[in-house]
Amino acid sequence: DAMVIQNPRYQVTQFGKPVTLSCSQTLNHNVMYWYQQKSSQAPKLLFHYYDKDFNNEADTPDNFQSRRPNTSFCFLDIRSPGLGDAAMYLCATSPRGARSSPLHFGNGTRLTVT
Amino acid sequence: GNSVTQMEGPVTLSEEAFLTINCTYTATGYPSLFWYVQYPGEGLQLLLKATKADDKGSNKGFEATYRKETTSFHLEKGSVQVSDSAVYFCALIRLQGAQKLVFGQGTRLTINP
Repeated sequence: DAMVIQNPRYQVTQFGKPVTLSCSQTLNHNVMYWYQQKSSQAPKLLFHYYDKDFNNEADTPDNFQSRRPNTSFCFLDIRSPGLGDAAMYLCATSPRGARSSPLHFGNGTRLTVT
Repeated sequence: GNSVTQMEGPVTLSEEAFLTINCTYTATGYPSLFWYVQYPGEGLQLLLKATKADDKGSNKGFEATYRKETTSFHLEKGSVQVSDSAVYFCALIRLQGAQKLVFGQGTRLTINP
């Protein structure tokens, strides 16, 4: 089945130690998103890629970076995680320009910062 | 701007009760509307969608109708089950600029046997 896969499901990192979360998709969608979700609140968009074009949200901290080496993969890098960065991180995809199409979400990576 | 407002939770019901979760939106034009469901420890799954006025989305016994006149997209189910316990998010895709989902704040639903 075509899908969005996030690895790992659970990630533990130490305060200040860089961590990378990964996302892959078999849907061949142009757009990939990273969301941060805390305590079943609404997901908060961090950034998205439209093909190779990177789009950062205005309030996304500089501590968060992203890479998309090809259509299938996208990475979220947290350069110096703080305790406040503990959250569920959700990756999603959608086809280009398809405003009636929903986003397809992965199962998320739950990040713990110790 | 674009925004989505959901009824505040948590909502607790008994099994087989009727469910309504209210959702209203503010947007320019006619955005596509969605309900997503999030089960404990999992990502978001699309529950249903509607892309134009008077469309009714339905799935797994849930329904929602796109009401332009009241700018609403209320989620309903006639008889809930314990397995419906989850967090429900109403969302829209904005029509201007980059393609982004705008979420409501989510409603936690608990169904007791």
